[in-house]
Amino acid sequence: AQSVTQLGSHVSVSEGALVLLRCNYSSSVPPYLFWYVQYPNQGLQLLLKYTSAATLVKGINGFEAEFKKSETSFHLTKPSAHMSDAAEYFCAVSMDTGRRALTFGSGTRLQVQP
Amino acid sequence: GAGVSQSPRYKVAKRGQDVALRCDPISGHVSLFWYQQALGQGPEFLTYFQNEAQLDKSGLPSDRFFAERPEGSVSTLKIQRTQQEDSAVYLCASSLEVGAKNIQYFGAGTRLSVL
Repeated sequence: AQSVTQLGSHVSVSEGALVLLRCNYSSSVPPYLFWYVQYPNQGLQLLLKYTSAATLVKGINGFEAEFKKSETSFHLTKPSAHMSDAAEYFCAVSMDTGRRALTFGSGTRLQVQP
Repeated sequence: GAGVSQSPRYKVAKRGQDVALRCDPISGHVSLFWYQQALGQGPEFLTYFQNEAQLDKSGLPSDRFFAERPEGSVSTLKIQRTQQEDSAVYLCASSLEVGAKNIQYFGAGTRLSVL
């Protein structure tokens, strides 16, 4: 079985500052990893995904994430926060064996202060 | 269509009522998933369809929950005799192919409030 832990349910940064949202996973087989963003009253939108190619993955809106197998981590970063980045962010994992659905973390709410 | 469409967007039900939630996936997408998202939580898996076949319903919380996708396109999630604990946002997602690495595209969800 797989699971995802997102450290920090709320993160607040100043506009222009580095964004770092943490995600750790557990999986018995090589995982596929995803970051989704959810704006209020909207569905989830994919930011980026890792599917066993390059370990540094670039996504939309300037976000990127690095897969570190030794640390079982897939942290999301953005060099400079923008006010429009304020949203809820979810890390998710899936595997080829067993259930093919996504297993989500509990989410991190990002606030961006002017 | 351009994206995954869910209806209604909001549903208020009295406890004990039956409700039906509709999902219209992206045309041609083989896989369809239903998730339940409680307030302040991440989505949790309910059930999975590959075309019209329901291959996994292990996440359905009780036998009051039922899902179908009879023609391999539109899907309906039905909840019988709703309870207050059923209040949540129900999300539908579809993906083009079978396989865990494929991107799931999400609808905006149906927010169900049971009074």
